[in-house]
Amino acid sequence: AQKITQTQPGMFVQEKEAVTLDCTYDTSDPSYGLFWYKQPSSGEMIFLIYQGSYDQQNATEGRYSLNFQKARKSANLVISASQLGDSAMYFCAMVGTGNQFYFGTGTSLTVIP
Amino acid sequence: GAGVSQSPSNKVTEKGKDVELRCDPISGHTALYWYRQSLGQGLEFLIYFQGNSAPDKSGLPSDRFSAERTGGSVSTLTIQRTQQEDSAVYLCASSFRDSLLLNYGYTFGSGTRLTVV
Repeated sequence: AQKITQTQPGMFVQEKEAVTLDCTYDTSDPSYGLFWYKQPSSGEMIFLIYQGSYDQQNATEGRYSLNFQKARKSANLVISASQLGDSAMYFCAMVGTGNQFYFGTGTSLTVIP
Repeated sequence: GAGVSQSPSNKVTEKGKDVELRCDPISGHTALYWYRQSLGQGLEFLIYFQGNSAPDKSGLPSDRFSAERTGGSVSTLTIQRTQQEDSAVYLCASSFRDSLLLNYGYTFGSGTRLTVV
């Protein structure tokens, strides 16, 4: 069975500081993909970053980077230089060979001015 | 259209009534997914379409829930005899293909907020 775990229901970070949002996963699929999405108060799900299980390097997209540790089955999201607009819910998700997304319960991030 | 469009954006219905939720995917997207997000919760997978067929209906919570997709485009999620526990945001997503292992990040719609009173 596939499972995504996000253990931080809420996080606070000072503006311009970096923050790490934790995500661990469990799967028996040999190939899988890991995603992070941002959900602002408007409700829209915004794709942030993707990491394939066979990718050798950690994914980066602007201020977002994914700290992928395959042996530990973790896929933490690092946001550098936090901005007020980063305040939102963040969801970690995984897809395996079954093409079904599995989402974590989310982390609410608040950026403090 | 430019994005995934869902309608209505908000729906209030009385317990026991049927509701239909609509999803218009991005033109050319062959895969379409429905999710449910209850207040303060993560996303719960409901159903997935590849073209007009639904290879995976495992997430539908009960036989009151059904979905169809016509012309490989618009999809309708129908909830019959709504219950208060059906209150949630229903999100639709689409992508070009059903293999998500190739960095084809989903595009989500803004959702339909359903309230059953």
